[in-house]
Amino acid sequence: GESVGLHLPTLSVQEGDNSIINCAYSNSASDYFIWYKQESGKGPQFIIDIRSNMDKRQGQRVTVLLNKTVKHLSLQIAATQPGDSAVYFCADTTGANSKLTFGKGITLSVRP
Amino acid sequence: AAGVIQSPRHLIKEKRETATLKCYPIPRHDTVYWYQQGPGQDPQFLISFYEKMQSDKGSIPDRFSAQQFSDYHSELNMSSLELGDSALYFCASSSVRDRTLGNEKLFFGSGTQLSVL
Repeated sequence: GESVGLHLPTLSVQEGDNSIINCAYSNSASDYFIWYKQESGKGPQFIIDIRSNMDKRQGQRVTVLLNKTVKHLSLQIAATQPGDSAVYFCADTTGANSKLTFGKGITLSVRP
Repeated sequence: AAGVIQSPRHLIKEKRETATLKCYPIPRHDTVYWYQQGPGQDPQFLISFYEKMQSDKGSIPDRFSAQQFSDYHSELNMSSLELGDSALYFCASSSVRDRTLGNEKLFFGSGTQLSVL
């Protein structure tokens, strides 16, 4: 992941709206992608993952979209809730025994 | 369900001191990973171990060392601490069995907040 310095990009959404968080990855050999949610002072929590042979995967209220052509990953959160406020990271890996590389975090702020 | 346990939760040290961070992976997980996260930064990979052997190495300073023990817990040893070492240090774990089955997600602990004064 490439650092953005002390200030993470922020996405502000109204409670109840849908959120779309975007991520660009750099390694074209990456074949597994994960979204993590990190609340203040806590460790990253798994949200959803997707393999490179898929372009979409849905979970509960969340959907991950993968565009390998432009090396882009997005996380869609439906009906965003105050509890969704956190920093969101995408991460990727090139193989089963490889480390996860984190992308730039994005702060999601949910307005009541 | 048991999670990754890290200790201590907070640690305050002076410059040039040493620190030891501990990580207890999820039961039956055989692989541990260490990450460093500075304020407002994304987690940076330091080092990983599988079955007590170093499996990958990232941007870990030479002043740091780590090892994994026979019970799979891991320790990150940090010497000659510098102000810039102040960060949140995360340990994560996974199992080779899960990874072989296509489940490559890492489970993270709550981290150790290291402050170097």
